[in-house]
Amino acid sequence: AQSVAQPEDQVNVAEGNPLTVKCTYSVSGNPYLFWYVQYPNRGLQFLLKYITGDNLVKGSYGFEAEFNKSQTSFHLKKPSALVSDSALYFCVRSGSSNTGKLIFGQGTTLQVKP
Amino acid sequence: SQTIHQWPATLVQPVGSPLSLECTVEGTSNPNLYWYRQAAGRGLQLLFYSVGIGQISSEVPQNLSASRPQDRQFILSSKKLLLSDSGFYLCAWNRMGVGTEAFFGQGTRLTVV
Repeated sequence: AQSVAQPEDQVNVAEGNPLTVKCTYSVSGNPYLFWYVQYPNRGLQFLLKYITGDNLVKGSYGFEAEFNKSQTSFHLKKPSALVSDSALYFCVRSGSSNTGKLIFGQGTTLQVKP
Repeated sequence: SQTIHQWPATLVQPVGSPLSLECTVEGTSNPNLYWYRQAAGRGLQLLFYSVGIGQISSEVPQNLSASRPQDRQFILSSKKLLLSDSGFYLCAWNRMGVGTEAFFGQGTRLTVV
Protein backbone atom coordinates (compact mmCIF):
# COMPACT_ATOMS: atom_id res chain seq x y z
CA ALA A 1 0.00 0.00 0.00
CA GLN A 2 1.10 3.53 -0.67
CA SER A 3 2.28 5.45 2.35
CA VAL A 4 4.57 8.16 3.64
CA ALA A 5 6.50 8.16 6.88
CA GLN A 6 7.85 11.01 8.95
CA PRO A 7 10.27 9.42 11.40
CA GLU A 8 10.56 12.41 13.74
CA ASP A 9 7.71 13.66 15.93
CA GLN A 10 9.64 16.86 16.62
CA VAL A 11 12.63 18.71 15.23
CA ASN A 12 14.37 21.45 17.18
CA VAL A 13 16.68 23.97 15.53
CA ALA A 14 18.15 27.32 16.45
CA GLU A 15 17.13 30.36 14.47
CA GLY A 16 19.50 30.96 11.58
CA ASN A 17 20.55 27.32 11.34
CA PRO A 18 19.55 25.08 8.45
CA LEU A 19 16.59 22.80 9.02
CA THR A 20 15.59 19.43 7.65
CA VAL A 21 12.28 17.65 8.15
CA LYS A 22 12.46 14.06 6.98
CA CYS A 23 10.02 12.08 4.89
CA THR A 24 10.22 8.69 3.21
CA TYR A 25 7.69 7.14 0.90
CA SER A 26 6.72 3.62 -0.07
CA VAL A 27 7.85 2.49 -3.49
CA SER A 28 4.51 1.36 -4.87
CA GLY A 29 2.76 3.66 -7.31
CA ASN A 30 3.72 7.06 -8.66
CA PRO A 31 5.58 9.15 -6.06
CA TYR A 32 3.67 12.40 -6.37
CA LEU A 33 4.73 14.11 -3.16
CA PHE A 34 3.77 17.26 -1.30
CA TRP A 35 4.66 19.24 1.81
CA TYR A 36 2.09 21.14 3.84
CA VAL A 37 2.46 23.36 6.90
CA GLN A 38 -0.10 23.90 9.65
CA TYR A 39 0.01 26.73 12.16
CA PRO A 40 -1.89 26.28 15.46
CA ASN A 41 -5.66 26.03 15.05
CA ARG A 42 -5.44 26.75 11.34
CA GLY A 43 -5.93 24.87 8.12
CA LEU A 44 -3.07 23.37 6.15
CA GLN A 45 -1.10 25.45 3.67
CA PHE A 46 0.50 23.97 0.58
CA LEU A 47 4.27 24.50 0.43
CA LEU A 48 5.54 22.57 -2.59
CA LYS A 49 5.18 19.42 -4.63
CA TYR A 50 7.17 16.99 -6.73
CA ILE A 51 5.53 15.45 -9.76
CA THR A 52 8.36 14.93 -12.21
CA GLY A 53 11.47 16.66 -13.48
CA ASP A 54 14.10 18.40 -11.38
CA ASN A 55 14.67 16.57 -8.11
CA LEU A 56 15.07 19.83 -6.20
CA VAL A 57 11.75 21.55 -5.77
CA LYS A 58 11.44 25.09 -4.48
CA GLY A 59 8.36 26.26 -2.66
CA SER A 60 6.86 28.97 -0.50
CA TYR A 61 8.62 30.85 2.32
CA GLY A 62 12.09 29.76 1.23
CA PHE A 63 11.47 26.05 1.66
CA GLU A 64 12.71 23.43 -0.74
CA ALA A 65 12.63 19.66 -0.92
CA GLU A 66 14.78 17.10 -2.61
CA PHE A 67 13.30 14.04 -4.24
CA ASN A 68 15.69 11.10 -3.87
CA LYS A 69 14.53 8.01 -5.70
CA SER A 70 17.32 5.72 -4.49
CA GLN A 71 16.57 6.53 -0.86
CA THR A 72 12.81 6.93 -1.41
CA SER A 73 12.96 10.21 0.46
CA PHE A 74 11.54 13.69 0.08
CA HIS A 75 13.08 15.75 2.86
CA LEU A 76 12.00 19.33 3.45
CA LYS A 77 14.81 21.84 3.88
CA LYS A 78 15.48 25.50 4.51
CA PRO A 79 18.93 27.10 4.64
CA SER A 80 18.18 29.44 7.53
CA ALA A 81 15.34 28.79 9.96
CA LEU A 82 13.10 31.52 11.36
CA VAL A 83 11.19 31.45 14.63
CA SER A 84 8.05 31.97 12.55
CA ASP A 85 8.71 28.64 10.79
CA SER A 86 7.68 26.86 13.99
CA ALA A 87 4.65 24.79 13.01
CA LEU A 88 3.45 21.28 12.19
CA TYR A 89 4.68 19.92 8.86
CA PHE A 90 3.06 17.15 6.86
CA CYS A 91 4.56 15.06 4.11
CA VAL A 92 1.81 13.90 1.76
CA ARG A 93 1.54 11.75 -1.32
CA SER A 94 -1.10 11.41 -3.95
CA GLY A 95 -3.12 8.21 -3.97
CA SER A 96 -3.13 5.94 -6.96
CA SER A 97 -6.73 6.48 -7.95
CA ASN A 98 -7.84 9.35 -10.13
CA THR A 99 -9.93 10.84 -7.34
CA GLY A 100 -7.08 13.04 -6.14
CA LYS A 101 -7.11 11.58 -2.64
CA LEU A 102 -4.08 12.42 -0.52
CA ILE A 103 -2.22 10.20 1.93
CA PHE A 104 -0.77 12.03 4.94
CA GLY A 105 2.25 11.33 7.08
CA GLN A 106 1.95 11.60 10.83
CA GLY A 107 3.34 15.11 10.95
CA THR A 108 6.50 16.62 12.42
CA THR A 109 6.50 19.55 14.80
CA LEU A 110 9.25 22.02 13.99
CA GLN A 111 10.39 24.19 16.87
CA VAL A 112 12.75 27.02 16.00
CA LYS A 113 14.28 28.70 19.03
CA PRO A 114 15.70 32.23 19.06
CA SER B 1 -8.77 32.80 -7.80
CA GLN B 2 -10.18 29.92 -5.84
CA THR B 3 -11.18 30.20 -2.21
CA ILE B 4 -12.61 27.79 0.31
CA HIS B 5 -14.87 28.82 3.17
CA GLN B 6 -15.57 26.71 6.20
CA TRP B 7 -17.73 27.63 9.16
CA PRO B 8 -18.15 27.96 12.04
CA ALA B 9 -14.59 28.31 13.33
CA THR B 10 -15.47 26.95 16.76
CA LEU B 11 -18.47 25.06 18.07
CA VAL B 12 -19.44 23.68 21.45
CA GLN B 13 -22.30 21.21 21.36
CA PRO B 14 -23.89 18.96 23.98
CA VAL B 15 -23.85 15.20 23.61
CA GLY B 16 -26.84 14.00 21.63
CA SER B 17 -27.34 17.25 19.73
CA PRO B 18 -27.21 17.46 15.91
CA LEU B 19 -24.31 18.83 13.91
CA SER B 20 -24.01 20.65 10.63
CA LEU B 21 -20.70 21.99 9.34
CA GLU B 22 -20.63 23.68 5.97
CA CYS B 23 -17.91 24.14 3.40
CA THR B 24 -18.10 26.03 0.12
CA VAL B 25 -15.59 26.55 -2.66
CA GLU B 26 -15.50 29.52 -5.01
CA GLY B 27 -13.74 30.07 -8.29
CA THR B 28 -13.71 26.54 -9.63
CA SER B 29 -16.16 23.93 -10.85
CA ASN B 30 -16.52 20.22 -10.22
CA PRO B 31 -13.93 20.08 -7.45
CA ASN B 32 -13.14 17.00 -5.42
CA LEU B 33 -14.22 17.74 -1.85
CA TYR B 34 -12.97 16.21 1.37
CA TRP B 35 -13.71 16.20 5.08
CA TYR B 36 -10.82 15.39 7.41
CA ARG B 37 -10.65 15.12 11.18
CA GLN B 38 -7.53 15.93 13.11
CA ALA B 39 -7.22 14.63 16.65
CA ALA B 40 -4.82 16.09 19.19
CA GLY B 41 -3.10 18.31 16.63
CA ARG B 42 -1.54 15.45 14.75
CA GLY B 43 -2.34 13.31 11.74
CA LEU B 44 -5.34 13.80 9.52
CA GLN B 45 -7.98 11.14 9.09
CA LEU B 46 -9.99 11.25 5.88
CA LEU B 47 -13.67 10.96 6.74
CA PHE B 48 -15.47 11.54 3.43
CA TYR B 49 -14.70 12.53 -0.10
CA SER B 50 -16.86 13.48 -3.03
CA VAL B 51 -16.12 13.62 -6.75
CA GLY B 52 -19.49 15.10 -7.73
CA ILE B 53 -22.95 16.18 -6.63
CA GLY B 54 -24.61 13.48 -4.57
CA GLN B 55 -21.52 11.23 -4.73
CA ILE B 56 -20.14 10.56 -1.27
CA SER B 57 -17.56 8.00 -0.25
CA SER B 58 -17.02 7.20 3.39
CA GLU B 59 -13.58 6.19 4.52
CA VAL B 60 -14.32 5.08 8.06
CA PRO B 61 -17.46 3.88 9.86
CA GLN B 62 -18.65 6.53 12.25
CA ASN B 63 -21.39 8.65 13.68
CA LEU B 64 -21.09 11.26 10.94
CA SER B 65 -22.47 11.67 7.44
CA ALA B 66 -21.73 13.97 4.54
CA SER B 67 -23.76 15.44 1.72
CA ARG B 68 -23.03 17.43 -1.41
CA PRO B 69 -26.24 19.17 -2.44
CA GLN B 70 -24.49 21.54 -4.87
CA ASP B 71 -21.31 21.34 -6.92
CA ARG B 72 -19.28 23.50 -4.57
CA GLN B 73 -20.97 22.79 -1.26
CA PHE B 74 -20.02 20.03 1.15
CA ILE B 75 -21.79 19.45 4.46
CA LEU B 76 -20.76 17.32 7.42
CA SER B 77 -23.60 16.23 9.67
CA SER B 78 -24.57 14.16 12.64
CA LYS B 79 -27.96 13.38 14.10
CA LYS B 80 -26.62 12.81 17.60
CA LEU B 81 -23.13 13.86 18.64
CA LEU B 82 -20.90 11.69 20.80
CA LEU B 83 -18.09 12.86 23.05
CA SER B 84 -15.68 11.08 20.70
CA ASP B 85 -16.75 13.36 17.84
CA SER B 86 -14.76 16.20 19.37
CA GLY B 87 -11.87 17.31 17.21
CA PHE B 88 -10.65 19.68 14.54
CA TYR B 89 -12.50 19.26 11.25
CA LEU B 90 -11.02 20.37 7.99
CA CYS B 91 -12.62 20.73 4.60
CA ALA B 92 -10.44 20.57 1.49
CA TRP B 93 -10.74 20.59 -2.29
CA ASN B 94 -8.61 19.72 -5.27
CA ARG B 95 -9.00 19.03 -8.93
CA MET B 96 -9.55 15.58 -10.30
CA GLY B 97 -6.38 13.68 -11.09
CA VAL B 98 -3.30 12.25 -9.52
CA GLY B 99 -0.73 14.76 -8.36
CA THR B 100 -3.02 17.71 -7.75
CA GLU B 101 -2.50 19.63 -4.54
CA ALA B 102 -5.37 20.20 -2.15
CA PHE B 103 -6.43 23.47 -0.55
CA PHE B 104 -7.82 23.54 2.96
CA GLY B 105 -10.34 25.57 4.84
CA GLN B 106 -9.44 27.15 8.16
CA GLY B 107 -11.02 24.35 10.15
CA THR B 108 -13.74 23.98 12.78
CA ARG B 109 -12.87 23.19 16.37
CA LEU B 110 -15.74 21.03 17.65
CA THR B 111 -16.05 20.32 21.35
CA VAL B 112 -18.78 17.97 22.45
CA VAL B 113 -19.65 18.38 26.14
